[in-house]
Parts: sequence; C-alpha cells; structure tokens
Amino acid sequence: GAVVSQHPSWVICKSGTSVKIECRSLDFQATTMFWYRQFPKQSLMLMATSNEGSKATYEQGVEKDKFLINHASLTLSTLTVTSAHPEDSSFYICSARDPSGRTDTQYFGPGTRLTVL
Amino acid sequence: SQQGEEDPQALSIQEGENATMNCSYKTSINNLQWYRQNSGRGLVHLILIRSNEREKHSGRLRVTLDTSKKSSSLLITASRAADTASYFCARSRKNNNDMRFGAGTRLTVKP
Repeated sequence: GAVVSQHPSWVICKSGTSVKIECRSLDFQATTMFWYRQFPKQSLMLMATSNEGSKATYEQGVEKDKFLINHASLTLSTLTVTSAHPEDSSFYICSARDPSGRTDTQYFGPGTRLTVL
Repeated sequence: SQQGEEDPQALSIQEGENATMNCSYKTSINNLQWYRQNSGRGLVHLILIRSNEREKHSGRLRVTLDTSKKSSSLLITASRAADTASYFCARSRKNNNDMRFGAGTRLTVKP
C-alpha cells in the first residue's frame, strides 16, 4: 500500500515555542491531507483538511492561528503548533488520500508525539 | 468521538476466542472503514465496506454493515495475542474527505 511518513516521530519542547511537523506521501501525490489529534486512550479527532495550493479547512473549535497548516506541494503538508502550551501535548497523526487509487482509503502516517514542558 | 460510538470500550479475551466489536454512527454514509492501532503507533487500515455492501471478509476478519440500523461490526476469529490493539471504525459521508472516527475498542488477547 501507499506510504505516508511523518517527521519528527516525537518532539519535546518548552512552553511558548513553535513546533513544525511534516507529513509526506512517499509514493503518490496527495492533493488532500488530513491532520488528526489523539489524546491518550481516546479516538482521533480531525483537526483540519489540508488542500494543496489553497487554505486549509479547519474543524469547529480548532484555532487556525494556533495550528498553521501549509500544503505547499503534492507530497508535503506541514502542521506548525505555534506558542505551544502543555495542553497541546498530544499525538498528532496525518493522513493522505490518493486520488488515483482504486479505493477511498486514507493512508496514515505513524504519528508524532508532542510533549510541551 | 466526532461521529459515532463503539462498543465495547474494552474487550479482554483468551487466545483462540473470537472478538466482536460494534460501531454505530448517526448520519448516512458512503463507506465505513475499520482501522487498527497499536499503542502509540499509527493506524493500519483493515477493511473498507461501502454503503451498498453488507459483509466483507479479509483473512480472519469479517465486517458487516447494517445501514438500516446505522451500525457495523468487526469480527476477529481465532484471535491471537498479536491482535491486541485498539480498533476504530471511521465513517465517510461523501468522498472520504470527511472521515470521522468512533471512540474505539481496546482489545486485549491473553495468551
């Protein structure tokens, strides 16, 4: 199946700093990528839909100025957590949909664990 | 969860037994997918079932879909300790750009 990578796999930062997480589709072009957040022992919550070449679409309750999304190419989307605080500590997972694929499957990255001290 | 519930929340069984997990949703769907997640890891796609399908099989996995009841079930037969993970259903209403996950079931298979 298609492969989606994320970098870094984990990051620890101080409160007030910004952290950038990369999501790459390795063997296909993804016009649409998705960003999810998952707190411990909870489900995935869709944060935003990242569209190549246009602005991201944010879910209700997600601050677009805090979670900056850039989908500059067909294989890369980035999520920047600005002025991170301890409550932003979470597992961030991206996914990508291959529009040329034979199924509607979304391919998920391995996730990035963010810990804000 | 953003658009559905799963039950049970946790399930503990012995190796060799079958495990059944259920998922309910609220709106009409285009398709429903099941994913597996090992602790602290990414998601692995298991099965996609479309709204016009009632049952699909993949190895030891069997998924059913009842659109009249807005529910789906995942059956894992002859479970193994390696099946221990969290299992999530995710429904899409349109073209899979609006996937919403259920709360998940944490399955523990004891050797």
